[in-house]
Amino acid sequence: GESVGLHLPTLSVQEGDNSIINCAYSNSASDYFIWYKQESGKGPQFIIDIRSNMDKRQGQRVTVLLNKTVKHLSLQIAATQPGDSAVYFCAENGGGGSNYKLTFGKGTLLTVNP
Amino acid sequence: NAGVMQNPRHLVRRRGQEARLRCSPMKGHSHVYWYRQLPEEGLKFMVYLQKENIIDESGMPKERFSAEFPKEGPSILRIQQVVRGDSAAYFCASSRDRLYEQFFGPGTRLTVL
Repeated sequence: GESVGLHLPTLSVQEGDNSIINCAYSNSASDYFIWYKQESGKGPQFIIDIRSNMDKRQGQRVTVLLNKTVKHLSLQIAATQPGDSAVYFCAENGGGGSNYKLTFGKGTLLTVNP
Repeated sequence: NAGVMQNPRHLVRRRGQEARLRCSPMKGHSHVYWYRQLPEEGLKFMVYLQKENIIDESGMPKERFSAEFPKEGPSILRIQQVVRGDSAAYFCASSRDRLYEQFFGPGTRLTVL
């Protein structure tokens, strides 16, 4: 029979490879975007953010790219490590007067194979 | 510098009972947000509070759910007469001001039997 339920997109990479996680956001008024990492049984952990007046921002081993034309966000992780295994969520703030209200995507499960 | 604290970490209730979830924001943060997460889904906004004020409760069910952030003490999310559909992970976040960066606590996992 047909299975019913939600299944997270998954990405499986080898240790040391680069990872790219993609996210499509919905609200063209959003002016702030965040990537969070969530390990099993824990709360979301801030990774990196970007404002809408930028199209790229780099952190330590991570880079976020923003394409406002197609409402697309990506997270690049360099030299992926086993400790990077987690679910990754993008979030947008909706802009305007409710810019505190984060809207999260469904998440992507990243598995790093040693 | 302690992060956002939540307790209890796990809470089991029977249908019809009350659930009280507590959140202590990071030091220096006066803005608190509650989110709910169902399995394999992203977090959904419920309510935004500042000290003694509810700013936005548009994501919170109209009945049985309430939230407060008193002048002294933690923020409380209260669910009355719990039902099985309330089973979820509830996360609290705090920020220094309403602009952007929110830090999340470890969550409370509520199970309704």
